[in-house]
Amino acid sequence: EDKVVQSPLSLVVHEGDTVTLNCSYEVTNFRSLLWYKQEKKAPTFLFMLTSSGIEKKSGRLSSILDKKELFSILNITATQTGDSAVYLCAVDQLNRDDKIIFGKGTRLHILP
Amino acid sequence: DGGITQSPKYLFRKEGQNVTLSCEQNLNHDAMYWYRQDPGQGLRLIYYSQIVNDFQKGDIAEGYSVSREKKESFPLTVTSAQKNPTAFYLCASSPRTVGAQYFGPGTRLLVL
Repeated sequence: EDKVVQSPLSLVVHEGDTVTLNCSYEVTNFRSLLWYKQEKKAPTFLFMLTSSGIEKKSGRLSSILDKKELFSILNITATQTGDSAVYLCAVDQLNRDDKIIFGKGTRLHILP
Repeated sequence: DGGITQSPKYLFRKEGQNVTLSCEQNLNHDAMYWYRQDPGQGLRLIYYSQIVNDFQKGDIAEGYSVSREKKESFPLTVTSAQKNPTAFYLCASSPRTVGAQYFGPGTRLLVL
């Protein structure tokens, strides 16, 4: 069965800390891995990763994919209270009716 | 502005009542999706549509119905057969050739 597993399920850190969120997957016909940030409402798109070893960066957020070991990490440096959210990992599959498989998310809470 | 809109923001359903959630997009995306999100859980796929006049069941389609008469619109009806409809409903769309999905703001459905 195809699945996406995120860890930890929840995380509480102090402002200024660096955090690493994990996403492992077992899916057939992998096309890309996606990271989303969900605050109170809809998820917003962060990164799409298709190639191993190429880091994507956006400000204090960065992500990398390892297609051999089937996982990705999302790093947030110098965390701020505005980073508090649920971070969702999802995997898109080739030739599978454009469906995406989502993990359950990591709930991150940043203490001031 | 391009984007995805959902309405209403909050919806109250009485026992035995059918209700319809609206989802409209002006991004010219071919594919559209409906997800349900329950507290502490990831996104679960209800229905999806890759082209107009065609749609497929997702993982939890029972008690729901959809239509795709126009490219821009993908309404979801929560029928009386759905015994536990209280949840946050998210609509998303994507171009066929790109994995990332873009989400609407969501509709929170509550049962009276």
